[in-house]
Amino acid sequence: AQKVTQAQTEISVVEKEDVTLDCVYETRDTTYYLFWYKQPPSGELVFLIRRNSFDEQNEISGRYSWNFQKSTSSFNFTITASQVVDSAVYFCALSEAYGNQFYFGTGTSLTVIP
Amino acid sequence: GAVVSQHPSRVICKSGTSVKIECRSLDFQATTMFWYRQFPKQSLMLMATSNEGSKATYEQGVEKDKFLINHASLTLSTLTVTSAHPEDSSFYICSATAGEPYEQYFGPGTRLTVT
Repeated sequence: AQKVTQAQTEISVVEKEDVTLDCVYETRDTTYYLFWYKQPPSGELVFLIRRNSFDEQNEISGRYSWNFQKSTSSFNFTITASQVVDSAVYFCALSEAYGNQFYFGTGTSLTVIP
Repeated sequence: GAVVSQHPSRVICKSGTSVKIECRSLDFQATTMFWYRQFPKQSLMLMATSNEGSKATYEQGVEKDKFLINHASLTLSTLTVTSAHPEDSSFYICSATAGEPYEQYFGPGTRLTVT
């Protein structure tokens, strides 16, 4: 079974629109970590955020915000006032406390149209 | 933050040859390193986990004789693709951790093209 599901394969928005990328995860652990990474065309993974399972506070960093809801096992990512430079593939990932690997979602390719 | 480098960033090799990819942790000692493979427009798939001084643990379906992993020191792991074929062409990414698996730092990746 897929541990991390990103149902949106591709999204296109016009510049300055807000966009939300969905991430749903599955784990039986009570302690786990959730991540978002950005992968621009160059391929290098850019770390955006890490959240542990005990911290459900939403987080805002500039135009980026994250909504963590354990009740729905979701960790969604919103970009406000999108810009062309936001165009990339975004991956959500899960790391369980008693394991040593990351489980990546299939990624959402975001295209911001000028 | 911690820095992980990979070398080379791009490599083109002929079918049947072997190619080595290096992964280095530049400012910390990596007790564990991970190797991922990413096909175009797909997600990262874990290939193997290596701990310094011991044999790598390969994920199901990954040929250990084809993808040789060596983690000889706390700052260096190498992935050697032996007798490469065009289907081995992919983007290979390593990551490293000094302890906690949730604190993995990713390298910039190596794009391998086998002609």
